[in-house]
Order: sequence, then structure tokens, then C-alpha cells
Amino acid sequence: EVQLVESGGGLVQPGRSLRLSCAASGFTFDDYAMHWVRQAPGKGLEWVSGISWNSGNIGYADSVKGRFTISRDNAKNSLYLQMNSLRAEDTALYYCAKDIGPYYYGSGSSQHWGQGTLVTVSS
Amino acid sequence: QSVLTQPPSVSAAPGQKVTISCSGSSSNIGNNYVSWYQQVPGTAPKLLIYDNNKRPSGIPDRFSGSKSGTSATLGITGLQTGDEADYYCGTWDSSLSAKVFGGGTKLTVL
Repeated sequence: EVQLVESGGGLVQPGRSLRLSCAASGFTFDDYAMHWVRQAPGKGLEWVSGISWNSGNIGYADSVKGRFTISRDNAKNSLYLQMNSLRAEDTALYYCAKDIGPYYYGSGSSQHWGQGTLVTVSS
Repeated sequence: QSVLTQPPSVSAAPGQKVTISCSGSSSNIGNNYVSWYQQVPGTAPKLLIYDNNKRPSGIPDRFSGSKSGTSATLGITGLQTGDEADYYCGTWDSSLSAKVFGGGTKLTVL
């Protein structure tokens, strides 16, 4: 059974940093692209970032480009999101999601999702 | 403002059929596959449809997807109260080089 477990969320002041982690199990992690998708309270889904199976291709939403960094450690079956210069508008539930293919770009869908980790940016 | 446009809400009676539309452009729906997700409040999204009209294993054939030009449609037949949820379309946008989602449609089964 595919499992994705996010961690690292919490309350942080504007301008500070936070690192999210996603522990994956139940599938061959290095065969698939992975994504971070967020959902602000009461709002819709917003793609944040994606990374291909071998970290060779990485992409970001314009809203986080230059502030967030996605990475993965295939030896540890883990996905990460380093979030710097956090803003109030980054407050959201952050989901880790597994793509159906090896590349983050293109029409690939996210078949499996974690339960999310909540990030609250407030002074 | 979402790149993909969905109606905010739709409703229908149990047993009936409903369709949810998703409108985009040539840079997204027009030249890329569309996916559909179901999100019951308080839970993570669930993939219902991928590659415009394919269902992952375990998704009943009451759910269907189609695409024409720069629009896509999710159809749900034999509505059940358990189908009450938010539904999102998603695809790749070649101009933005980003995955994009619709704003979501809340389905109410009356």
C-alpha cells in the first residue's frame, strides 16, 4: 500500500524558514516524480513544486520561485521542501503527492496523496 | 483567479446524473491531458480520472471524463450522498511551465 506521510509543519513568523518532509513507502520511490501541492484554508488546490525521479528536472509555481527549494533523497525514500522567506499567504495545508510517471512536467496526474502538514505563517 | 474555470457549485438528486465543466486554453487543456480529483472535506484529494478519460483501479464506472478542444467535463451518474465533495480539474500549462488546477466545484446531492 502506498503511504505518504508529511511532517515539519507548524507556526512560523513571517520571514522565517521551515523544512517539510515526506516519507514514502509501498512503492519504488525512485521510479516516480513527486510534487508538493498546497491548500489555503477554505481555498482550492495550488501546485507548489515538482521534481522528477532522479532530481534532473525541477519546477516551481511563480508564487514560490526563489523562496522554496524542493529536493529528494531516493536512498531514504523521502521528499523535502525547504521554505524560506515565508509570507502570510504561504499559510496552507501542504500535501506531498506521487505522480503516475517519472517526470514532474507534462500531464502526469497525482494518484496518491499524503494527509498533509499544516503551515501557519503569522506573527 | 484560477487558470482553469469551473462552476463554483452543482447539485442534483440521488440517482441522477451531473456534469462538471472545466474550461481552459490552448496552453493547458487544449494540448495536455486532464485529470479530475475528488476531495471530501477534511480529507486529501483522490484521483478519479487521468489522461482525460481513464479511471484508476477502484474508481467505479459511474465516473467518466471527456475532453473537447479547450474544455473538459467530468460526469457522474447514479449519484450517491457519498459523492458530495469538491471536485477539481487539473492539467499542465505549457506557457506557465506549471501544473494548474481549477478553482473547484462543490457537488451537493440533494
